Amino acid sequence: DAGVTQSPTHLIKTRGQQVTLRCSPKSGHDTVSWYQQALGQGPQFIFQYYEEEERQRGNFPDRFSGHQFPNYSSELNVNALLLGDSALYLCASSWGPGRANTGELFFGEGSRLTVL
Amino acid sequence: AQRVTQPEKLLSVFKGAPVELKCNYSYSGSPELFWYVQYSRQRLQLLLRHISRESIKGFTADLNKGETSFHLKKPFAQEEDSAMYYCALVDNYGQNFVFGPGTRLSVLP
Repeated sequence: DAGVTQSPTHLIKTRGQQVTLRCSPKSGHDTVSWYQQALGQGPQFIFQYYEEEERQRGNFPDRFSGHQFPNYSSELNVNALLLGDSALYLCASSWGPGRANTGELFFGEGSRLTVL
Repeated sequence: AQRVTQPEKLLSVFKGAPVELKCNYSYSGSPELFWYVQYSRQRLQLLLRHISRESIKGFTADLNKGETSFHLKKPFAQEEDSAMYYCALVDNYGQNFVFGPGTRLSVLP
């Protein structure tokens, strides 16, 4: 089991552009959460997807959107990029509320986005 | 509002010395508390959770609801404990994890 995989690992964009980040959850997991981690900060919750729907959202603008596919993989889209969007974007998978939820998140290695 | 604070950005101790990483939280209900760790060149991973009342790699953490704290302790630090440690809480629905800013532990030989 490769665990949670994310792509791309690094990318550079300019202000105003759009970006799509991808995540494949750990085998057997049906829930994907996205986090933004700015330099020197802890991960900050963006949103969570379960059963292909956004279940909960953190304090992020609508420029941040996502999607979950039937195979449980997920995408994070950010439109109209700002310099402040530069960060490490982490994907985490877990079991959804329909199963025994231990509360443990399994993280990917992240996608580092630089906005110039 | 839910919030997790970790007052120390960097904590340095010598090998064999006791270590305590502080964590305080604010939450209106009864949260579940966790410690996550990130070793060099590895991904963020769960260290321990308060509900399990377990000791992992010699680390323990006690939830003090009166002081709203969940400090991580180890009586004798090892060099391999050097890592970034994040305290986190999750709401009753187990969906939104709130992480603290992290403490970098450096165990010196």
